[in-house]
Amino acid sequence: AQKITQTQPGMFVQEKEAVTLDCTYDTSDPSYGLFWYKQPSSGEMIFLIYQGSYDQQNATEGRYSLNFQKARKSANLVISASQLGDSAMYFCAIRAGNNRKLIWGLGTSLAVNP
Amino acid sequence: DGGITQSPKYLFRKEGQNVTLSCEQNLNHDAMYWYRQDPGQGLRLIYYSQIVNDFQKGDIAEGYSVSREKKESFPLTVTSAQKNPTAFYLCASSLGPGLAGGRSGNEQFFGPGTRLTVL
Repeated sequence: AQKITQTQPGMFVQEKEAVTLDCTYDTSDPSYGLFWYKQPSSGEMIFLIYQGSYDQQNATEGRYSLNFQKARKSANLVISASQLGDSAMYFCAIRAGNNRKLIWGLGTSLAVNP
Repeated sequence: DGGITQSPKYLFRKEGQNVTLSCEQNLNHDAMYWYRQDPGQGLRLIYYSQIVNDFQKGDIAEGYSVSREKKESFPLTVTSAQKNPTAFYLCASSLGPGLAGGRSGNEQFFGPGTRLTVL
């Protein structure tokens, strides 16, 4: 079975600074994918970034990058140059092997201070 | 514009009533999903469908039913058998299940959600 752990219930960051949101995962399948989503107060889940287990390089999408450490089974999200609009819940999720389902963490609440 | 729509945004139900939540997508995605989100919780999968006229139970299917008669539509019915239906419901779609670990994650795209309250 797969599992996602997000150990930071809440985080604060100053505007324009970088912040790292932690995500560790557990799976015995060598083939898996890791996803990060943002959920603002409106409720909609917004896809941010994806990392495949066979990808040689860390994924990047604009101000989002993924610090993927396979041996440690961690996939931390790095947001550079934080903006006030980054204040939201952030969820990490995993899909492994032939499993069609995404397994979700409990999320981290990020507040960006002006 | 392509996307996923859910209606209504807010829904109130009396105990003992069935209620149906709508989910429509025009992304030409094969797979569709229904999730439930409770305060302080992650998303929990209710049902999913990989293709028209086929669907599978997720982790918390009891008290819910779905249909997939059209590719674009995946309505969720919350029945009176669901003992604690008050929650935020999210519908999602993806191109397909994708190949885990591959370069494309076939990420899921979400609708705006429906907040259901039982009175």
